[in-house]
Amino acid sequence: GENVEQHPSTLSVQEGDSAVIKCTYSDSASNYFPWYKQELGKGPQLIIDIRSNVGEKKDQRIAVTLNKTAKHFSLHITETQPEDSAVYFCAGGGYNKLIFGAGTRLAVHP
Amino acid sequence: EAGVVQSPRYKIIEKKQPVAFWCNPISGHNTLYWYRQNLGQGPELLIRYENEEAVDDSQLPKDRFSAERLKGVDSTLKIQPAELGDSAVYLCASSFSSGEQFFGPGTRLTVL
Repeated sequence: GENVEQHPSTLSVQEGDSAVIKCTYSDSASNYFPWYKQELGKGPQLIIDIRSNVGEKKDQRIAVTLNKTAKHFSLHITETQPEDSAVYFCAGGGYNKLIFGAGTRLAVHP
Repeated sequence: EAGVVQSPRYKIIEKKQPVAFWCNPISGHNTLYWYRQNLGQGPELLIRYENEEAVDDSQLPKDRFSAERLKGVDSTLKIQPAELGDSAVYLCASSFSSGEQFFGPGTRLTVL
């Protein structure tokens, strides 16, 4: 089955800096890779996703890249703000069967 | 538009007691998921419903866990009897077919 590994587990940046979170997956049949943001006491919220036929996708300050050959994908957040502080999860698999990474706790310091 | 509703938000029980969680998905969403999220980990799928049919329950510990979605809308997840290791956040999510999954706030279960 699919296995998704996520790094780093914690990330601390200064406001305005960029943050990068990386994930690897094992199942070459995986075709959908969403990223979720989870704030304390809330459920995960989708922030961006990418399908296997696309190499890069951008939405304002957030971008995701996918390297199918190497089986890894990354989340890039530019111009970080304190409200970006949360736990971020990558996931891989199919739309109906997602395997989540263990999460990255991002802290953005003013 | 109302999001996914879950209740209760918190539950504390003693081991060996039964417990039930309720989920009301977003209106019109035919697919419903139950996940378990252990502390410091990502969500893990327990069961997926397409309308009222459980189409993937391979990760549901069937000796003590059960779920139902009788009319293809609301769903209930039950644990009987609960064990210490069941302490976790139980998340419900819904989607329209194979679309984006929307998560509820979860139920935090503590088993003493």
